[in-house]
Amino acid sequence: TQLLEQSPQFLSIQEGENLTVYCNSSSVFSSLQWYRQEPGEGPVLLVTVVTGGEVKKLKRLTFQFGDARKDSSLHITAAQPGDTGLYLCAGYNTNAGKSTFGDGTTLTVKP
Amino acid sequence: DAMVIQNPRYQVTQFGKPVTLSCSQTLNHNVMYWYQQKSSQAPKLLFHYYDKDFNNEADTPDNFQSRRPNTSFCFLDIRSPGLGDAAMYLCATSRVPAGGPTQEQYFGPGTRLTVT
Repeated sequence: TQLLEQSPQFLSIQEGENLTVYCNSSSVFSSLQWYRQEPGEGPVLLVTVVTGGEVKKLKRLTFQFGDARKDSSLHITAAQPGDTGLYLCAGYNTNAGKSTFGDGTTLTVKP
Repeated sequence: DAMVIQNPRYQVTQFGKPVTLSCSQTLNHNVMYWYQQKSSQAPKLLFHYYDKDFNNEADTPDNFQSRRPNTSFCFLDIRSPGLGDAAMYLCATSRVPAGGPTQEQYFGPGTRLTVT
């Protein structure tokens, strides 16, 4: 069974601060997705990373896939209250044919 | 807009009374998933359909069943809901070519199930 560990589990910061969320595994993934989920809604896909070492930017969000494709990070610059939500990483293994979700990071950005 | 639709958004059922949740998609994706999500936890995969092929997770209780009559629709049946089945149920879809490296999932808004 492939496991994905996310840290921290909870994060509460002030508007304007920077933060990093980590997603770690001992398994290699074909690709990794990051999702954000707001209360009462389904997760929304933010990004997919496929290549080891790949870095993708989405406005103030920077996503990185580890060189060995076992881990990933999400960095948010100058967080805003609108960034509040549950952030989920999901690793996909082609051989298994399904994704493994991390336990999620609940982010609260206070104005 | 192409999307994943779940009905109803909120469902209240009595202990032991069968309930069916529905999901439809206009994305024409070949894979559909059902997840159970409890408060602030990660979604837990119950089962998925790859085209017409049904794939059950090993730890999904027999109390949960699913039907996919066609590409667009998928149903989750809970035969005898218990208090522990109260949760958000999420439907998701993806287009997965066999052997492809990515599995981007598109989620519906979820159905919040309450068991009284």
